[in-house]
Formats: sequence, C-alpha cells, structure tokens
Amino acid sequence: GENVEQHPSTLSVQEGDSAVIKCTYSDSASNYFPWYKQELGKRPQLIIDIRSNVGEKKDQRIAVTLNKTAKHFSLHITETQPEDSAVYFCAASGDYGQNFVFGPGTRLSVLP
Amino acid sequence: GAGVSQSPSNKVTEKGKDVELRCDPISGHTALYWYRQSLGQGLEFLIYFQGNSAPDKSGLPSDRFSAERTGGSVSTLTIQRTQQEDSAVYLCASIFIAGAYNEQFFGPGTRLTVL
Repeated sequence: GENVEQHPSTLSVQEGDSAVIKCTYSDSASNYFPWYKQELGKRPQLIIDIRSNVGEKKDQRIAVTLNKTAKHFSLHITETQPEDSAVYFCAASGDYGQNFVFGPGTRLSVLP
Repeated sequence: GAGVSQSPSNKVTEKGKDVELRCDPISGHTALYWYRQSLGQGLEFLIYFQGNSAPDKSGLPSDRFSAERTGGSVSTLTIQRTQQEDSAVYLCASIFIAGAYNEQFFGPGTRLTVL
C-alpha cells in the first residue's frame, strides 16, 4: 500500500521568511496530492492540492510542486505570518479517493 | 450548505463500556473515512467507505472496533469494551468523488475520553 513520509517534523521560521515542507510517496498509482492545515483544536482543512499531470500550483503565498518521477512533492509558504503556525499534513491518494494516506505532519511555528 | 457533522462532540466513558460515534457526511458525498488522532499526533486511518463497495477495514486496530454506513449516508463507529488507549479525537471526512480533485471535508471530531 501507499506510504507517505514527511519532513521536517517541526519547523520554526521568523515571520516574513519562507517555509518548505517535503513529502515522498511510494505508490506510483497515486494521482492526487493535497495539503491540509490543522490549527490547534480544530479540524484539518485543505489549503492547496495538485494532481499528477501538473508540476506546480500556486495560490497567493502558498505553492505546491510535484516531481512524479521522483515521487516527491513540497509545500512552499512565502512571507510567513504568525497565523500560518499550525500542523501541516501532506497526503496522497488514487483517482477516486481510495488509498488516501496522510503524512505524519509538520508542526510549523512562525516566530514574530 | 451544511458541512460534515459529528456527534457527540465529547464523550467520557468508563473502561469496558461500549460507545457509538456518529458521522453525518455532506449530502451527495459517496466516500467516507474515519480517522483517529491522539494528542499531538497524526491522522491514523481506521476505515473507508465508498458507495456500495465493501469497506476497507484495514486500519481498524482491533476487533473491538467496527463501523457501518447506512443508506450510503450516515456512519457510526462503534468501540466495544473501551480501553484507556482508545482515548483520542475521532474524525470523519467525506469526499465527493469527482475523479479529479477529491478533497476530504472533515467533521469537527468526537473527543473520546476513557477513564
């Protein structure tokens, strides 16, 4: 089955700096790669996602890149703000929501 | 429209008792996942329902755990003879399978405490 690894497990950055979180997956059949943000005591919420036929996607300060050959994808947050502090989960799944596997999460702290 | 709802929001029970957790997915969503999240930890997959297909139960940690999805909508997760290590937040998520972007919409979770 699918296995998703995520690094780093914790990340601290100064406000205004960039943050990068990296994930690798094992199943070449995975085609959908979302990123979720979970604030303390709240439910995970989707922040950005990408499919395997796209190499990069950007939405304001966040971007995701995908290297399907190497089976890795990354989340990039620029101009970080304190409200970006949260746990971020990457995930991989098949075309129809099956084998939806989450990474272990990255705790991001943005220091003022 | 209404999102995914879960009930109860909190449940405190004594060791050895059975509990039922309920998930109401978004109407029209054909797929549903249950996860367990211990404090400060990641999302542990429990079970997956997709349409009328047999559920993927590979994540259930023991035979004390079971789940049903009736009529392709509401789902209940049952834990029998609860143990202290069952204490966690139980999250469900539903998906509208579009064949392209299959976003999971999470419910608010049920916080289970086993004394």
